[in-house]
Amino acid sequence: NAGVTQTPKFRVLKTGQSMTLLCAQDMNHEYMYWYRQDPGMGLRLIHYSVGEGTTAKGEVPDGYNVSRLKKQNFLLGLESAAPSQTSVYFCATRGSSTDTQYFGPGTRLTVL
Amino acid sequence: GQQLNQSPQSMFIQEGEDVSMNCTSSSIFNTWLWYKQDPGEGPVLLIALYKAGELTSNGRLTAQFGITRKDSFLNISASIPSDVGIYFCAGNNNNDMRFGAGTRLTVKP
Repeated sequence: NAGVTQTPKFRVLKTGQSMTLLCAQDMNHEYMYWYRQDPGMGLRLIHYSVGEGTTAKGEVPDGYNVSRLKKQNFLLGLESAAPSQTSVYFCATRGSSTDTQYFGPGTRLTVL
Repeated sequence: GQQLNQSPQSMFIQEGEDVSMNCTSSSIFNTWLWYKQDPGEGPVLLIALYKAGELTSNGRLTAQFGITRKDSFLNISASIPSDVGIYFCAGNNNNDMRFGAGTRLTVKP
């Protein structure tokens, strides 16, 4: 039982490059979330999903896209990376009967 | 958007001392949560509060959901070195969870 896993753990991109971050969960949770965490700030919600095939915008969605083709996976895409997207990205999941979110270990992304 | 103000930003305390931190908001939340984050890891839930006025304990941790639903506090009693980390408050309304900026706790042995 791995819980919530994120790949990759680290990545360095050049401005304009694209990449996809993968979040995988084995807890059969309906809800999945992508956050970013910047120095001195709390986590900010980028996008979330309430179930397979559905996605919705969070607080800071611009520059990101997401997909939830399978219940256990939630993908975060950057089509054209910008230095402002340098951050640590966290995925989280929760079951439908609780407010408790379980976080992955994070992906540290640097955009040069 | 909804903003959470968490204070203090950082605390340096001696092992054995009690700690108190709080979070206030201009908006009402249905749920308040407190998380702890260790370096290089994701946040881990400490306490979740679901009702205004609720006081909940988890070992040496005690948290309260403010009556106005716009604030919460977390107390840690008899701190130990492993309490070191960053503590975040979070207010949640359905899928819109907002986090405070965190309180960085340092415990000196």
